[in-house]
Amino acid sequence: DAGITQSPRYKITETGRQVTLMCHQTWSHSYMFWYRQDLGHGLRLIYYSAAADITDKGEVPDGYVVSRSKTENFPLTLESATRSQTSVYFCASSEWDPSSTEAFFGQGTRLTVV
Amino acid sequence: KNQVEQSPQSLIILEGKNCTLQCNYTVSPFSNLRWYKQDTGRGPVSLTIMTFSENTKSNGRYTATLDADTKQSSLHITASQLSDSASYICVVSADTDKLIFGTGTRLQVFP
Repeated sequence: DAGITQSPRYKITETGRQVTLMCHQTWSHSYMFWYRQDLGHGLRLIYYSAAADITDKGEVPDGYVVSRSKTENFPLTLESATRSQTSVYFCASSEWDPSSTEAFFGQGTRLTVV
Repeated sequence: KNQVEQSPQSLIILEGKNCTLQCNYTVSPFSNLRWYKQDTGRGPVSLTIMTFSENTKSNGRYTATLDADTKQSSLHITASQLSDSASYICVVSADTDKLIFGTGTRLQVFP
C-alpha cells in the first residue's frame, strides 16, 4: 500500500521493557519524523531524520532511540519504557525540508505503559 | 519562545452552521502556516498551507486567512457537516526543518 504506515496500532507494555514502534513510507521522502501527542500539548517532536543514516534530536528525545538504515523505514525504540511515555505516537514524512513541503502523517500508535 | 495558540479549545455547533477557529503565533522567522484536520484515532491531514504573501486560501468549505502583521490566522468552515467533527490543528513553520504545533480546537457538529 502506498503512503505511510505505522505498526502496531496499539501496544501495551510493562515499565522497564524495551519496545519498538515501526514506521514505513513508500514515497522515498527524504525527511521522517516521530512525534508524540498528549492531552494539553501540541504534537511534540521526538526525533527526526533528514536522510538515511542522518538523525537528530527534537524537543523531547530523552528515553528514545531512532535509526534510519533505509530511506523508507524509521523505527522508534523506547529502551526502558516508563509510564510517562504513555502517549499516541505519530510518524510523519516530507519530501524535503518540512518548512517548505507538506508533511504526511501515519495513523498513529497508541502506547500504554503499565 | 516560538508558540502557537489556538482558540477556542472546543466548540459545538449545529449541522449547517458556520464557524471560525482562531490561531495566534509568535514564531520567528516565519515560513508558512498550515491547518490540519485530525479525525479521532487518525493522523493529521493537511487542509491548507499559506506563505507570508498569501492572506486567504480555500479548500472546499474550508477557508483559511492569514494576517502576517498581527500574526493571526483563522479557519472558517462553511455549512458544517457531521463529518467536520474533528480536531483542527494550526501549525507554523519557523523557516527551519521543524514545525510548531498548536494544541488544536476540538469541533463537534451535531444534527
